[in-house]
Amino acid sequence: ELKVEQNPLFLSMQEGKNYTIYCNYSTTSDRLYWYRQDPGKSLESLFVLLSNGAVKQEGRLMASLDTKARLSTLHITAAVHDLSATYFCAVDYQAGTALIFGKGTTLSVSS
Amino acid sequence: KAGVTQTPRYLIKTRGQQVTLSCSPISGHRSVSWYQQTPGQGLQFLFEYFSETQRNKGNFPGRFSGRQFSNSRSEMNVSTLELGDSALYLCASSLGGNTDTQYFGPGTRLTVL
Repeated sequence: ELKVEQNPLFLSMQEGKNYTIYCNYSTTSDRLYWYRQDPGKSLESLFVLLSNGAVKQEGRLMASLDTKARLSTLHITAAVHDLSATYFCAVDYQAGTALIFGKGTTLSVSS
Repeated sequence: KAGVTQTPRYLIKTRGQQVTLSCSPISGHRSVSWYQQTPGQGLQFLFEYFSETQRNKGNFPGRFSGRQFSNSRSEMNVSTLELGDSALYLCASSLGGNTDTQYFGPGTRLTVL
């Protein structure tokens, strides 16, 4: 059974600080996705990582994938309040037909 | 380009009833996936349809079923509702290839009383 574990599950940050969210998964996959969910809203696609060593950056967020370690990271640089949300990683299971999600990391950024 | 739409947005049902939720994918997308989101279990995959065929199914009881029409619109049905079926039901659409991003709709909030 494929398992996807994120940590931490809750993260309280000060504005301007850096932090990393970790996503470990239990079986071979080279397709990993990061999504953002604001309270009461749906999921917004952030990054698609499709190969070992893939790195994607958008604004203050950078995601990477190490398929050998079965690990993806989402790095937050100089956090701002607008980044407060829940972040999910999801691993592709069975050729694009199903995503298995982590529990999510709820990020709260305060001044 | 219009996004994924889901109807209705909110539903209240009682135990034992059945419910049908609808999802219209992004134009040109042929794959529709359904997910259940609850505070306790998180996001769980229900099933995926591509060109009217179910390609994959998650670990849910047979009370949960779905279908896809020739225009790629999809419906899911839950029969004999239980309290535990209360959840946000999200559908996502994609082009259907194995590296295509799934784009999510706003969800249907189902409350079972």
